[in-house]
Amino acid sequence: SAVISQKPSRDICQRGTSLTIQCQVDSQVTMMFWYRQQPGQSLTLIATANQGSEATYESGFVIDKFPISRPNLTFSTLTVSNMSPEDSSIYLCSLWDYGYTFGSGTRLTVV
Amino acid sequence: AQTVTQSQPEMSVQEAETVTLSCTYDTSENNYYLFWYKQPPSRQMILVIRQEAYKQQNATENRFSVNFQKAAKSFSLKISDSQLGDTAMYFCAFMKGGVGTNAGKSTFGDGTTLTVKP
Repeated sequence: SAVISQKPSRDICQRGTSLTIQCQVDSQVTMMFWYRQQPGQSLTLIATANQGSEATYESGFVIDKFPISRPNLTFSTLTVSNMSPEDSSIYLCSLWDYGYTFGSGTRLTVV
Repeated sequence: AQTVTQSQPEMSVQEAETVTLSCTYDTSENNYYLFWYKQPPSRQMILVIRQEAYKQQNATENRFSVNFQKAAKSFSLKISDSQLGDTAMYFCAFMKGGVGTNAGKSTFGDGTTLTVKP
């Protein structure tokens, strides 16, 4: 199965700044997904990222706050913009590979 | 919209014993997949087992097996011969299959924290 390298693994950021999270896959995949996991909670889908098209965002998530890039079939980024403490979460990328494969997650703390 | 319910926020089991984690879901879809994922403290999400809805036979992966009751929309996970390394949060997830709107998107339950005691 495919392997995802996600970075950074963690970061502490000042409110009002932005952080870009990267996911690199070792094979070509059509669909990638970005999830948020708030402390002690389940995973919530932020958006679906297909190569060559705009990401599709779930209810409650907007492109201005969480811009996503998908320049090719092996790479995607998620930016958390204008951060506030409420954005403190774990962010995970994943792909559909007959069962989801997940990146190792980025633990973001906004202070 | 699909919903996934895990009614047991926390469970514990003695090492070498068997434990069953519950999951129910609600959907009007016929083509879907069900999964159990494990998330240890390292936070890496690890696929434990998957079940295609069209398969009547329950999936099994070594010490992990499921009891898939399609009519009842129930999908429980049984862990046999529990090991200390099984300590983790376990998530049940539903994914619509096929193509079209919402295909490939997963809905996760709230998770069950399992502690294996020595």
